[in-house]
Amino acid sequence: EDQVTQSPEALRLQEGESSSLNCSYTVSGLRGLFWYRQDPGKGPEFLFTLYSAGEEKEKERLKATLTKKESFLHITAPKPEDSATYLCAVQARGSGTYKYIFGTGTRLKVLA
Amino acid sequence: NAGVTQTPKFQVLKTGQSMTLQCAQDMNHNSMYWYRQDPGMGLRLIYYSASEGTTDKGEVPNGYNVSRLNKREFSLRLESAAPSQTSVYFCASSDLGHEQYFGPGTRLTVT
Repeated sequence: EDQVTQSPEALRLQEGESSSLNCSYTVSGLRGLFWYRQDPGKGPEFLFTLYSAGEEKEKERLKATLTKKESFLHITAPKPEDSATYLCAVQARGSGTYKYIFGTGTRLKVLA
Repeated sequence: NAGVTQTPKFQVLKTGQSMTLQCAQDMNHNSMYWYRQDPGMGLRLIYYSASEGTTDKGEVPNGYNVSRLNKREFSLRLESAAPSQTSVYFCASSDLGHEQYFGPGTRLTVT
C-alpha cells in the first residue's frame, strides 16, 4: 500500500536555528514528490517538486532533497514567518496515477 | 489569474440538508480534485476528475457526489449532510505528474 509518513509531527525552533523535516514514503514507483506549505485557515501552497533520487531544489531558506525512500526539507536560519504546517505528497506510477497521497504534515513554529 | 476559487467560504448545515460546493480553475489544468482535511488525518481524497468528462472515487467517497461541469469547473454535492461531514474541504487542480494548486477551502459545519 502506498504510504507517506512525516516526522516530527511538531517542531519548535528558535529564530536562526536550522533543522530538517522528514518525509518517508512507500510507493510502487514514484512519479513525483511534492512539498507544500499551509498557513492556518488557508489552502496548501506549492513549494517544490522532486522527481528522482539525488535531486535537490532550493528557495530562499528552504532546500528539499530526495532519496529512494525519503525526502528532507531543510530550513536554514529560519524566521518567524516560516512558521506553518509543511505537507509532503507523492504521486505513484501505475494504476491510480492521478492520485496524490499526502502525509499528515509537520507543524513548525519559529520563535523570535 | 485567480488560480483556484471555491464557494462558499463557510457553511453551516443541519443534518439531512443538502448543498453543493463549487470550484473553478483558470489554469487550463486537465485534472481536478476534492479533498477533506480533518485534524490529525491529513488531506483525504474524496473524488477526482482526471480529465473533462471523467470522475473517479478517491479514499472517502461515501456521502458525496461530483460533477465535472466543463474543463474549468468541478462541483461537490452532499445529498444528505451528516455531522461526520463536518470538515474543511479543498479543491485542487493539476496536470498529470505536476504539482497541485489548491483553493482557499470551504469550512463546513453540520449540526
